[in-house]
Amino acid sequence: LAKTTQPISMDSYEGQEVNITCSHNNIATNDYITWYQQFPSQGPRFIIQGYKTKVTNEVASLFIPADRKSSTLSLPRVSLSDTAVYYCLPGTGSQGNLIFGKGTKLSVKP
Amino acid sequence: GAVVSQHPSWVICKSGTSVKIECRSLDFQATTMFWYRQFPKQSLMLMATSNEGSKATYEQGVEKDKFLINHASLTLSTLTVTSAHPEDSSFYICSARDQGQASYEQYFGPGTRLTVT
Repeated sequence: LAKTTQPISMDSYEGQEVNITCSHNNIATNDYITWYQQFPSQGPRFIIQGYKTKVTNEVASLFIPADRKSSTLSLPRVSLSDTAVYYCLPGTGSQGNLIFGKGTKLSVKP
Repeated sequence: GAVVSQHPSWVICKSGTSVKIECRSLDFQATTMFWYRQFPKQSLMLMATSNEGSKATYEQGVEKDKFLINHASLTLSTLTVTSAHPEDSSFYICSARDQGQASYEQYFGPGTRLTVT
């Protein structure tokens, strides 16, 4: 399973676009890249998933370069409620489980 | 969307007692459910994989006799913390995959806060 590297924390202001980049140099050919969001004392929530190029949904966009060794989660016009920890997860474990890294703690300020 | 519930949402128990936590998939069937543990300011750590109708698979370092997992139906898995001690105090989260879907998306429960006094 590919090891991930993300910034430990990021600060932003309301209304700004936030980009969180995750590196996963050893991602396997068949692995999808999934991002989850977690608020304090809550279970993680699925944000977006992709394999290559760009994926967009109502919440975020996910950019994946051709070599797939990294991915960038883009949150447009963040609000205070986007303050959370964001996890990048390439692929799954042998049981289909998710392997969580340290994640990125995003703090959005007014 | 798919919903996973956990009960209770929080529990306080005395050292030496046992606590059962339930994880239910409300609108889908889950052959496999996962149990995670999260300590303050840390990431989620997988404890075990729960398979319907068979024994759970535990991660290295997790005591199977202390953390009893039962997956008796396609919508319910339970985690029992036996002879709980203060060091077992943590946030326990379950997740499930919809076996009817081809995607890798997992649905997480809201978590259970366990405090052992």
